[in-house]
Amino acid sequence: NAGVMQNPRHLVRRRGQEARLRCSPMKGHSHVYWYRQLPEEGLKFMVYLQKENIIDESGMPKERFSAEFPKEGPSILRIQQVVRGDSAAYFCASSPRAGNEKLFFGSGTQLSVL
Amino acid sequence: EDKVVQSPLSLVVHEGDTVTLNCSYEVTNFRSLLWYKQEKKAPTFLFMLTSSGIEKKSGRLSSILDKKELFSILNITATQTGDSAIYLCAVVAGGSQGNLIFGKGTKLSVKP
Repeated sequence: NAGVMQNPRHLVRRRGQEARLRCSPMKGHSHVYWYRQLPEEGLKFMVYLQKENIIDESGMPKERFSAEFPKEGPSILRIQQVVRGDSAAYFCASSPRAGNEKLFFGSGTQLSVL
Repeated sequence: EDKVVQSPLSLVVHEGDTVTLNCSYEVTNFRSLLWYKQEKKAPTFLFMLTSSGIEKKSGRLSSILDKKELFSILNITATQTGDSAIYLCAVVAGGSQGNLIFGKGTKLSVKP
């Protein structure tokens, strides 16, 4: 009965490289949320996806960030040309249906940009 | 702008003490308030509150919501070192597609 699985747990990138973060939701869940947590800050909403659809990307930076949740496979959060300010913990959460407010979180990916 | 404010930001107590964590909010069309516990990894769900005045309880933890005064408290009685964590409060606002607005959290440290 696996929970939300994120990988990698830790990711180190140099400035200008690309970062790809993966999230597999809980079994039976088709709704995925991405959050970013900066040091000493709360989790900030980035994007909400269902299978093959972006529902709400109001929290995504306008440039360099993109997300997808294909029909098959995990959800991917992609950050192009990373900068030091992208260093943060990125959490994925899932729920079984729209409007279900109780989210189940993964263990996060800690991104460090050198 | 919707916001959630938690207090205190950090708290140090000794085993056996009782603690009260606070969460106030200002959101448009409030739907629900949730508490999570975050240790070194995934935030884990504690409570979801939607109605005023009804206490939710789980073992030594309990929580209550006041929709008139726009706040919630999380109580932990007879604290243990395993309660040391960051406690996160989050609110769901109407029309938000279910995404959570989080406070910065309260870091609780329980000393033996």
